[in-house]
Amino acid sequence: GENVEQHPSTLSVQEGDSAVIKCTYSDSASNYFPWYKQELGKRPQLIIDIRSNVGEKKDQRIAVTLNKTAKHFSLHITETQPEDSAVYFCAASIDQGGKLIFGQGTELSVKP
Amino acid sequence: DADVTQTPRNRITKTGKRIMLECSQTKGHDRMYWYRQDPGLGLRLIYYSFDVKDINKGEISDGYSVSRQAQAKFSLSLESAIPNQTALYFCATSGTGTPLGTGELFFGEGSRLTVL
Repeated sequence: GENVEQHPSTLSVQEGDSAVIKCTYSDSASNYFPWYKQELGKRPQLIIDIRSNVGEKKDQRIAVTLNKTAKHFSLHITETQPEDSAVYFCAASIDQGGKLIFGQGTELSVKP
Repeated sequence: DADVTQTPRNRITKTGKRIMLECSQTKGHDRMYWYRQDPGLGLRLIYYSFDVKDINKGEISDGYSVSRQAQAKFSLSLESAIPNQTALYFCATSGTGTPLGTGELFFGEGSRLTVL
């Protein structure tokens, strides 16, 4: 079955710097790659997603890139702010409406 | 607002006890999931159901069972709880129906289970 690896497990940046989180997946049939943000004590929420027919997608300060050949995708956050501090999860699915397999999570800390 | 509701939110129990975590949703979604969250291990899929008559094992189903009582209700049972089942459990739903499918999971607030 699908396996998703996520790195790094923790990431600390200064406010205003950029942050990059990387994930690799194992199943070449996967075609949907979302990213979820979980603030302390809260439920995970979708922040951005990308489908396999697209190489890059941006939404304000966040962007996701996908390299299907290498089977990896990344989350980029620019101009980080303290409110970006959270745990971020990548995930992969072979069915856009189906089960998601998640990575291990990255705890991002943005220091003022 | 349409939501995903989990009960109980917190539970402490003893080894060997039977525990049921319940999930109900008012989003009208067909698909429901149970995930387990452990520090450093992310969110791992326990069971999922794409409609009332459909139940599928996920990555870590051993020691768990589920019941889809209705479109809106999906419960998770631990028949004989053990300490390494101490974790935060999330129910989630997703919808279908558009040509592209939404793909987005909507999570409940989580149920924190401690097995002593």
